[in-house]
Amino acid sequence: IAGITQAPTSQILAAGRRMTLRCTQDMRHNAMYWYRQDLGLGLRLIHYSNTAGTTGKGEVPDGYSVSRANTDDFPLTLASAVPSQTSVYFCASSEQLGTDTQYFGPGTRLTVL
Amino acid sequence: DQQVKQNSPSLSVQEGRISILNCDYTNSMFDYFLWYKKYPAEGPTFLISISSIKDKNEDGRFTVFLNKSAKHLSLHIVPSQPGDSAVYFCAANAGANSKLTFGKGITLSVRP
Repeated sequence: IAGITQAPTSQILAAGRRMTLRCTQDMRHNAMYWYRQDLGLGLRLIHYSNTAGTTGKGEVPDGYSVSRANTDDFPLTLASAVPSQTSVYFCASSEQLGTDTQYFGPGTRLTVL
Repeated sequence: DQQVKQNSPSLSVQEGRISILNCDYTNSMFDYFLWYKKYPAEGPTFLISISSIKDKNEDGRFTVFLNKSAKHLSLHIVPSQPGDSAVYFCAANAGANSKLTFGKGITLSVRP
């Protein structure tokens, strides 16, 4: 069982470019999440999805969009990347939104120049 | 306003000694608390959790204590091992259909 996979592992991107970070889980979890980790700021929630077909905004949603067309995939899109979006991005999933343990992917390191 | 606070950014402990990692929260609606451990270049992994109906939960070398009146929880690692060196995140949520709120993390270094 792979759990959660993320792609790419790392990416250097020019400012203004569009970028989609991919996330796939094979645990049939209903809830999925995108976080960014920045030094001194910890993990901050960008967007989440309670179940396929629904999404919600987290703490820092501006500049990002998500979709949840099916249970397994939860891509994160940066429509026009800016340097402040340089970060490590983690996708996570849990059986349900709430008290269930979240399982994290290995992360994508994104650098926007 | 930060609802989950890990005020110490780092902690260094001798191997074999106890590590105590602290976490404070401000939201009185939080009723479930978790600790995650993160190694460099990996995603966080779940370590231990505690519900607000308990004041202690133990799993091997790891024990989490919850003091609801003080809005404080702590993670004890006894004995500490070099492999415990990692970043530890405290997280909390307010029950079903709520989202986790994470602290900033604390970097634990266990010296051989």
